[in-house]
Amino acid sequence: QSVLIQPPSASGTPGQRVTISCSGSSSNIGINSVNWYQQLPGTAPKLLIYSKNQRPSGVPDRFSGSKSGTSASLAISGLQSEDEADYYCAAWDDSLNGLVFGGGTKVTVL
Amino acid sequence: QVQLVESGGGLVKPGGSLRLSCAVSGFSFSDSYMNWIRQAPGKGLEWVSYISGSGTNIFYADSVKGRFAVSRDNAKNSLYLQMNGLRADDTAVYYCGQRDHWGQGTLVTVSS
Repeated sequence: QSVLIQPPSASGTPGQRVTISCSGSSSNIGINSVNWYQQLPGTAPKLLIYSKNQRPSGVPDRFSGSKSGTSASLAISGLQSEDEADYYCAAWDDSLNGLVFGGGTKVTVL
Repeated sequence: QVQLVESGGGLVKPGGSLRLSCAVSGFSFSDSYMNWIRQAPGKGLEWVSYISGSGTNIFYADSVKGRFAVSRDNAKNSLYLQMNGLRADDTAVYYCGQRDHWGQGTLVTVSS
């Protein structure tokens, strides 16, 4: 059981908006930044969102993040076929003194 | 250009040892904390260990505490993970990195 809780799957048709939730606690999301990663099959995780909805250079603005209390979410607007991947949330946990991940959400483009 | 290249993975018997290395270039290594994370076949990402830029602060996941040891050589821009007492459930792709960048991973298989 992962410390951060994500739905195992999400789906949408091209052009739709998909939202992925990430539920944590006061020792992780409640007090630390949330990062979102995209992982394509057989590749390393790629940072999509960090800090307060910041995107690294090269990440399309179709990807956006938000946080409220002990939960966070990733939104993908204008869904495209290349967005089909696994998505993970992550945050430092001050109680565990470690980085905690969500279990991952597989996004399928129908 | 940022590059992180892991090496040292392979097949090892239960109870055996391996030392993973991570060669870093393209950013100020000595100023950067580093993590090891892993991904078992078909599973999600799991954090393994953290080390601060100076090496002063080190943390481990409970699953590896007492068996794994992280270290770094800032003069060589390199990160290491010494893995002892390996178990079947340590089988995974191991990635080194920090928030923004991760290496391509190295596969560790623990099997008799």
